[in-house]
Amino acid sequence: GAGVSQSPSNKVTEKGKDVELRCDPISGHTALYWYRQSLGQGLEFLIYFQGNSAPDKSGLPSDRFSAERTGGSVSTLTIQRTQQEDSAVYLCASSLIAGAGDTQYFGPGTRLTVL
Amino acid sequence: TQLLEQSPQFLSIQEGENLTVYCNSSSVFSSLQWYRQEPGEGPVLLVTVVTGGEVKKLKRLTFQFGDARKDSSLHITAAQPGDTGLYLCAGPEMFAGTASKLTFGTGTRLQVTL
Repeated sequence: GAGVSQSPSNKVTEKGKDVELRCDPISGHTALYWYRQSLGQGLEFLIYFQGNSAPDKSGLPSDRFSAERTGGSVSTLTIQRTQQEDSAVYLCASSLIAGAGDTQYFGPGTRLTVL
Repeated sequence: TQLLEQSPQFLSIQEGENLTVYCNSSSVFSSLQWYRQEPGEGPVLLVTVVTGGEVKKLKRLTFQFGDARKDSSLHITAAQPGDTGLYLCAGPEMFAGTASKLTFGTGTRLQVTL
């Protein structure tokens, strides 16, 4: 079956512009996670959804970052007024349920470059 | 926030050599996972260890969870070029009784040459 897909695969934008990153989880997976991977910081958690609600937003680095999930499926991560330090690979993962024993399946990521 | 330190950061070896990657924390984890990530792709789960002292084998890869559940190791026997990649350990952090996120280790980049 289809895995987690993300779009676009690459995004180059100018500083100050807004960007939207999309994640399509595996069908039937109720939990969805966003992570960011950068050279200096490694792989860090941003936000997680259970259904359409986000119980844990603790990893969002600033109020320029927001995310939503609709219909318990597709999620969008929005970064407003992008800064150069936002350049990174943004990874999405989904799991059947949110739990310590459940496997998270990752998408290929969106590489964001802010000029 | 719980931290996971991996060592070494980089490892370049020749085909056929053995290697061990370490993942250490000062915190106790309910379980630890190991992932491998190749360029342009997301991490792929290799194994989950749950019980202190547990040893799991996946072909030439041997994973061990420390008795105190604060550390783990990955040993590769007779490495092959196909083992090249970024190896990440990760542990779940709880939020409101649910494992809401994974804390990832700092990563070990392995290159195996012919």
